[in-house]
Amino acid sequence: LAKTTQPISMDSYEGQEVNITCSHNNIATNDYITWYQQFPSQGPRFIIQGYKTKVTNEVASLFIPADRKSSTLSLPRVSLSDTAVYYCLVGVAGTALIFGKGTTLSVSS
Amino acid sequence: DGGITQSPKYLFRKEGQNVTLSCEQNLNHDAMYWYRQDPGQGLRLIYYSQIVNDFQKGDIAEGYSVSREKKESFPLTVTSAQKNPTAFYLCASSREVGRGYYSNQPQHFGDGTRLSIL
Repeated sequence: LAKTTQPISMDSYEGQEVNITCSHNNIATNDYITWYQQFPSQGPRFIIQGYKTKVTNEVASLFIPADRKSSTLSLPRVSLSDTAVYYCLVGVAGTALIFGKGTTLSVSS
Repeated sequence: DGGITQSPKYLFRKEGQNVTLSCEQNLNHDAMYWYRQDPGQGLRLIYYSQIVNDFQKGDIAEGYSVSREKKESFPLTVTSAQKNPTAFYLCASSREVGRGYYSNQPQHFGDGTRLSIL
């Protein structure tokens, strides 16, 4: 199982861009990189997923270098409501996916 | 609307009792998962099932049991052997992708069940 490493916490201000990097040195050829967001007392919510290069959707961008040993979640112009825990997962659907402790993002005004 | 339903939202257990947490999905997903989350911690995998009548242990399966008799349902029983059951339990599901497929599907989560010991 690929293991991921991400910062325990990050602080930001409203309107700033936030980049959270995740290391996954043992990623396998078939593995995808998926990011989730979790608010207190709720289940995690899917944000974005990618395999290589760059993926963008309406809420975030995901940057994956050619060696795929790391990935960076980019949140443009964060707001107070983006305060949450962000998890980086590596694996394939239907297998045992490891969440880890995630990154706690705190956004201040 | 399709989704995952966990019930109850709050559950209390007396010492020595077994309790069962319900998880139902109408997303037609093959794979289902159970996670445990302790305060300030990430999610730890208890059990997962890739197909009906089959399931695999996760990292912390001791003191828990599951069944997968129907595709839609994956109940978790917290047995009296689980010495520290107080936690937030999350159920998830996803489409399973077989070997050789370069595509993936994210997990969908329920709203969780918070279990406490009386």
